[in-house]
Amino acid sequence: ETGVTQSPTHLIKTRGQQVTLRCSSQSGHNTVSWYQQALGQGPQFIFQYYREEENGRGNFPPRFSGLQFPNYSSELNVNALELDDSALYLCASSPNKQGSPRTDTQYFGPGTRLTVL
Amino acid sequence: LAKTTQPISMDSYEGQEVNITCSHNNIATNDYITWYQQFPSQGPRFIIQGYKTKVTNEVASLFIPADRKSSTLSLPRVSLSDTAVYYCLVGDSGNTGFQKLVFGTGTRLLVSP
Repeated sequence: ETGVTQSPTHLIKTRGQQVTLRCSSQSGHNTVSWYQQALGQGPQFIFQYYREEENGRGNFPPRFSGLQFPNYSSELNVNALELDDSALYLCASSPNKQGSPRTDTQYFGPGTRLTVL
Repeated sequence: LAKTTQPISMDSYEGQEVNITCSHNNIATNDYITWYQQFPSQGPRFIIQGYKTKVTNEVASLFIPADRKSSTLSLPRVSLSDTAVYYCLVGDSGNTGFQKLVFGTGTRLLVSP
């Protein structure tokens, strides 16, 4: 167990709808990263938040957005869902110190399985 | 942009040593190279990380040459429970500030009795 929790575990939506996924980071961790993992593929980096600010983003459109709260928990919001958004969404927290490398050890949650019909 | 390549799959037997290599170019010079293990329907689990040369912990070793264009994860004496997918993770060498993190293509390791 990593101490990182995600909710919900599974979710079914239809095309065009909006979805919010939640992540509680491990105690003391100030950085949260989100990843999309399609079936049979490796995780794809969506974005990372450090102390409530987005400090990096992958090749995802603006309809993928996020928030990090003062307690360092985080949300991933996806608008106008498309069929290709069906995937496992992973969140990972890390105890980044200021100036520490970006690929610091990350602790992953179990993921949210999103199905878009 | 950083690109990574790993063998798609590897087979081994219990008790053998397994070496998995990840080729990566255009990676950030100030970032760790990190390796993760993933079981089906679970999030990746940290194995080991390093900057260069050799790092060893209680479960694996990591070898990184001076040019950092590849890294090799070494699993000594694998067991059936090591059957999983293994990923390297690197940072993209963006020109300024933080850019993005790039997972390798993943190597599916099957350990047989």
